[in-house]
Amino acid sequence: DGGITQSPKYLFRKEGQNVTLSCEQNLNHDAMYWYRQDPGQGLRLIYYSQIVNDFQKGDIAEGYSVSREKKESFPLTVTSAQKNPTAFYLCASSKDSVNTEAFFGQGTRLTVV
Amino acid sequence: GQQVMQIPQYQHVQEGEDFTTYCNSSTTLSNIQWYKQRPGGHPVFLIQLVKSGEVKKQKRLTFQFGEAKKNSSLHITATQTTDVGTYFCAGPSLNQAGTALIFGKGTTLSVSS
Repeated sequence: DGGITQSPKYLFRKEGQNVTLSCEQNLNHDAMYWYRQDPGQGLRLIYYSQIVNDFQKGDIAEGYSVSREKKESFPLTVTSAQKNPTAFYLCASSKDSVNTEAFFGQGTRLTVV
Repeated sequence: GQQVMQIPQYQHVQEGEDFTTYCNSSTTLSNIQWYKQRPGGHPVFLIQLVKSGEVKKQKRLTFQFGEAKKNSSLHITATQTTDVGTYFCAGPSLNQAGTALIFGKGTTLSVSS
Protein backbone atom coordinates (compact mmCIF):
# COMPACT_ATOMS: atom_id res chain seq x y z
CA ASP A 1 0.00 0.00 0.00
CA GLY A 2 1.86 3.07 -1.25
CA GLY A 3 1.75 6.38 0.45
CA ILE A 4 3.36 8.94 2.67
CA THR A 5 3.39 8.49 6.41
CA GLN A 6 3.88 11.06 9.11
CA SER A 7 4.29 10.22 12.72
CA PRO A 8 3.17 10.91 15.30
CA LYS A 9 -0.22 12.48 14.62
CA TYR A 10 -0.10 14.54 17.83
CA LEU A 11 3.03 15.65 19.64
CA PHE A 12 3.50 17.63 22.82
CA ARG A 13 6.79 19.14 23.87
CA LYS A 14 8.06 21.49 26.48
CA GLU A 15 9.41 24.84 25.43
CA GLY A 16 13.16 24.74 24.78
CA GLN A 17 13.25 21.13 23.60
CA ASN A 18 14.10 20.06 20.08
CA VAL A 19 11.64 17.68 18.46
CA THR A 20 11.88 15.61 15.26
CA LEU A 21 8.89 14.89 13.05
CA SER A 22 9.04 11.80 10.90
CA CYS A 23 8.07 11.60 7.22
CA GLU A 24 8.43 8.43 5.16
CA GLN A 25 7.23 7.68 1.62
CA ASN A 26 7.25 4.49 -0.43
CA LEU A 27 6.15 6.12 -3.67
CA ASN A 28 9.69 6.31 -5.06
CA HIS A 29 9.32 10.08 -5.31
CA ASP A 30 12.36 12.28 -5.75
CA ALA A 31 10.93 15.49 -4.27
CA MET A 32 9.83 15.93 -0.68
CA TYR A 33 8.53 18.98 1.16
CA TRP A 34 7.69 20.26 4.60
CA TYR A 35 4.92 22.79 5.07
CA ARG A 36 3.59 24.52 8.13
CA GLN A 37 -0.10 25.33 8.39
CA ASP A 38 -1.53 27.93 10.75
CA PRO A 39 -5.15 29.14 10.73
CA GLY A 40 -5.68 31.63 7.92
CA GLN A 41 -2.08 31.30 6.69
CA GLY A 42 -2.39 28.53 4.17
CA LEU A 43 0.59 26.25 3.63
CA ARG A 44 3.98 27.85 4.11
CA LEU A 45 7.07 26.10 2.80
CA ILE A 46 9.73 25.26 5.38
CA TYR A 47 12.22 23.09 3.49
CA TYR A 48 12.24 21.02 0.36
CA SER A 49 14.44 18.41 -1.22
CA GLN A 50 14.62 17.48 -4.87
CA ILE A 51 17.15 14.69 -4.49
CA VAL A 52 18.88 12.62 -1.83
CA ASN A 53 21.55 14.44 0.17
CA ASP A 54 20.35 17.83 -1.03
CA PHE A 55 17.76 20.24 0.34
CA GLN A 56 16.87 23.91 0.17
CA LYS A 57 15.32 26.43 2.51
CA GLY A 58 11.78 27.53 1.93
CA ASP A 59 10.12 30.74 3.02
CA ILE A 60 10.14 30.06 6.78
CA ALA A 61 13.21 27.86 7.42
CA GLU A 62 14.48 29.69 10.50
CA GLY A 63 14.38 27.48 13.58
CA TYR A 64 14.03 24.26 11.56
CA SER A 65 16.46 21.71 10.17
CA VAL A 66 16.10 18.70 7.87
CA SER A 67 18.10 15.82 6.43
CA ARG A 68 17.64 13.68 3.34
CA GLU A 69 19.97 10.71 3.78
CA LYS A 70 17.54 8.30 2.12
CA LYS A 71 15.12 8.80 -0.73
CA GLU A 72 12.24 7.54 1.40
CA SER A 73 12.79 9.72 4.44
CA PHE A 74 12.77 13.47 5.11
CA PRO A 75 12.65 14.17 8.86
CA LEU A 76 12.08 17.68 10.17
CA THR A 77 13.60 18.92 13.43
CA VAL A 78 11.90 21.80 15.16
CA THR A 79 14.60 23.42 17.24
CA SER A 80 14.35 25.56 20.34
CA ALA A 81 15.24 28.54 18.11
CA GLN A 82 11.81 28.41 16.48
CA LYS A 83 9.89 31.19 18.19
CA ASN A 84 6.38 29.88 17.72
CA PRO A 85 6.53 26.16 16.95
CA THR A 86 2.95 25.19 17.78
CA ALA A 87 1.34 24.38 14.42
CA PHE A 88 0.15 21.68 12.04
CA TYR A 89 3.04 20.27 10.02
CA LEU A 90 2.48 18.62 6.67
CA CYS A 91 4.96 16.55 4.70
CA ALA A 92 4.47 15.97 0.98
CA SER A 93 6.21 14.22 -1.88
CA SER A 94 6.01 14.35 -5.64
CA LYS A 95 7.61 12.49 -8.51
CA ASP A 96 9.41 15.64 -9.61
CA SER A 97 9.55 18.99 -7.92
CA VAL A 98 6.67 20.99 -9.35
CA ASN A 99 5.19 19.42 -12.46
CA THR A 100 3.38 16.50 -10.91
CA GLU A 101 0.86 16.25 -8.12
CA ALA A 102 1.99 16.31 -4.52
CA PHE A 103 0.87 13.63 -2.09
CA PHE A 104 0.47 14.68 1.51
CA GLY A 105 0.84 12.81 4.76
CA GLN A 106 -1.81 12.98 7.46
CA GLY A 107 0.10 15.72 9.26
CA THR A 108 1.54 16.13 12.74
CA ARG A 109 -0.03 18.58 15.15
CA LEU A 110 2.74 19.89 17.39
CA THR A 111 1.92 21.65 20.62
CA VAL A 112 4.70 23.26 22.61
CA VAL A 113 3.85 24.19 26.18
CA GLY B 1 9.47 36.88 -3.81
CA GLN B 2 6.89 35.14 -5.89
CA GLN B 3 3.42 35.06 -4.39
CA VAL B 4 0.24 33.15 -5.06
CA MET B 5 -2.84 34.95 -3.79
CA GLN B 6 -6.35 33.62 -3.38
CA ILE B 7 -9.68 35.33 -2.85
CA PRO B 8 -11.93 35.21 -1.05
CA GLN B 9 -10.46 33.82 2.17
CA TYR B 10 -13.85 32.57 3.36
CA GLN B 11 -17.14 31.93 1.59
CA HIS B 12 -20.42 30.72 3.00
CA VAL B 13 -23.18 29.55 0.66
CA GLN B 14 -26.54 27.88 0.86
CA GLU B 15 -26.63 24.39 -0.55
CA GLY B 16 -27.39 24.59 -4.26
CA GLU B 17 -25.70 27.96 -4.78
CA ASP B 18 -22.61 28.32 -6.92
CA PHE B 19 -19.13 29.09 -5.58
CA THR B 20 -15.98 30.50 -7.17
CA THR B 21 -12.47 30.98 -5.84
CA TYR B 22 -9.78 32.95 -7.65
CA CYS B 23 -6.03 32.53 -7.69
CA ASN B 24 -3.50 35.11 -8.89
CA SER B 25 0.25 34.82 -9.26
CA SER B 26 2.76 37.64 -9.36
CA THR B 27 4.64 35.77 -12.12
CA THR B 28 3.78 33.56 -15.06
CA LEU B 29 3.30 29.94 -14.05
CA SER B 30 4.28 26.85 -16.00
CA ASN B 31 1.34 25.07 -14.40
CA ILE B 32 -1.14 25.48 -11.60
CA GLN B 33 -2.53 22.84 -9.31
CA TRP B 34 -5.63 22.77 -7.13
CA TYR B 35 -6.05 20.92 -3.86
CA LYS B 36 -8.89 20.37 -1.41
CA GLN B 37 -8.47 19.97 2.32
CA ARG B 38 -11.45 18.69 4.30
CA PRO B 39 -11.76 19.87 7.91
CA GLY B 40 -9.27 17.96 10.03
CA GLY B 41 -7.66 16.40 6.97
CA HIS B 42 -4.75 16.92 4.66
CA PRO B 43 -4.68 18.50 1.18
CA VAL B 44 -5.67 16.21 -1.66
CA PHE B 45 -4.82 16.90 -5.28
CA LEU B 46 -7.73 17.80 -7.53
CA ILE B 47 -6.25 18.81 -10.87
CA GLN B 48 -3.36 20.37 -12.76
CA LEU B 49 -3.68 22.94 -15.55
CA VAL B 50 -0.81 23.50 -17.95
CA LYS B 51 -1.96 25.25 -21.10
CA SER B 52 -2.86 28.90 -21.53
CA GLY B 53 -6.65 29.31 -21.46
CA GLU B 54 -7.18 25.70 -20.43
CA VAL B 55 -10.55 24.68 -19.00
CA LYS B 56 -11.12 21.36 -17.28
CA LYS B 57 -14.22 19.93 -15.67
CA GLN B 58 -14.73 17.37 -12.97
CA LYS B 59 -18.46 16.82 -12.51
CA ARG B 60 -19.67 20.05 -10.85
CA LEU B 61 -16.17 21.57 -10.64
CA THR B 62 -14.78 23.74 -13.44
CA PHE B 63 -11.15 24.84 -13.45
CA GLN B 64 -9.71 27.58 -15.65
CA PHE B 65 -6.18 28.74 -16.35
CA GLY B 66 -5.85 32.30 -17.61
CA GLU B 67 -4.53 33.26 -21.02
CA ALA B 68 -1.48 34.88 -19.47
CA LYS B 69 -0.94 31.89 -17.16
CA LYS B 70 -0.95 34.16 -14.13
CA ASN B 71 -4.44 33.47 -12.81
CA SER B 72 -6.81 30.60 -12.32
CA SER B 73 -10.26 29.92 -10.96
CA LEU B 74 -12.27 27.06 -9.53
CA HIS B 75 -16.03 27.17 -9.92
CA ILE B 76 -18.41 24.78 -8.21
CA THR B 77 -21.95 24.55 -9.55
CA ALA B 78 -24.81 23.77 -7.18
CA THR B 79 -22.74 23.25 -4.05
CA GLN B 80 -23.38 20.31 -1.77
CA THR B 81 -22.42 19.79 1.87
CA THR B 82 -19.71 17.42 0.67
CA ASP B 83 -17.95 20.40 -0.95
CA VAL B 84 -17.10 21.85 2.46
CA GLY B 85 -13.39 22.40 2.97
CA THR B 86 -10.50 24.64 2.04
CA TYR B 87 -9.46 24.92 -1.59
CA PHE B 88 -5.85 25.77 -2.37
CA CYS B 89 -4.14 26.69 -5.58
CA ALA B 90 -0.43 25.99 -5.92
CA GLY B 91 2.22 26.88 -8.42
CA PRO B 92 5.96 26.51 -8.99
CA SER B 93 8.18 29.01 -7.26
CA LEU B 94 11.63 29.53 -8.68
CA ASN B 95 14.33 30.81 -6.38
CA GLN B 96 18.08 30.75 -6.50
CA ALA B 97 18.28 27.24 -5.07
CA GLY B 98 15.65 25.42 -7.08
CA THR B 99 11.96 25.09 -7.65
CA ALA B 100 9.27 24.20 -5.16
CA LEU B 101 5.50 24.19 -5.01
CA ILE B 102 4.05 27.18 -3.18
CA PHE B 103 0.47 27.47 -2.07
CA GLY B 104 -2.03 30.26 -1.78
CA LYS B 105 -3.67 30.87 1.58
CA GLY B 106 -6.76 29.02 0.46
CA THR B 107 -10.48 29.69 0.33
CA THR B 108 -12.53 28.03 3.05
CA LEU B 109 -15.99 27.07 1.87
CA SER B 110 -18.85 26.39 4.24
CA VAL B 111 -22.25 25.17 3.04
CA SER B 112 -25.49 25.24 4.93
CA SER B 113 -28.39 22.99 4.01
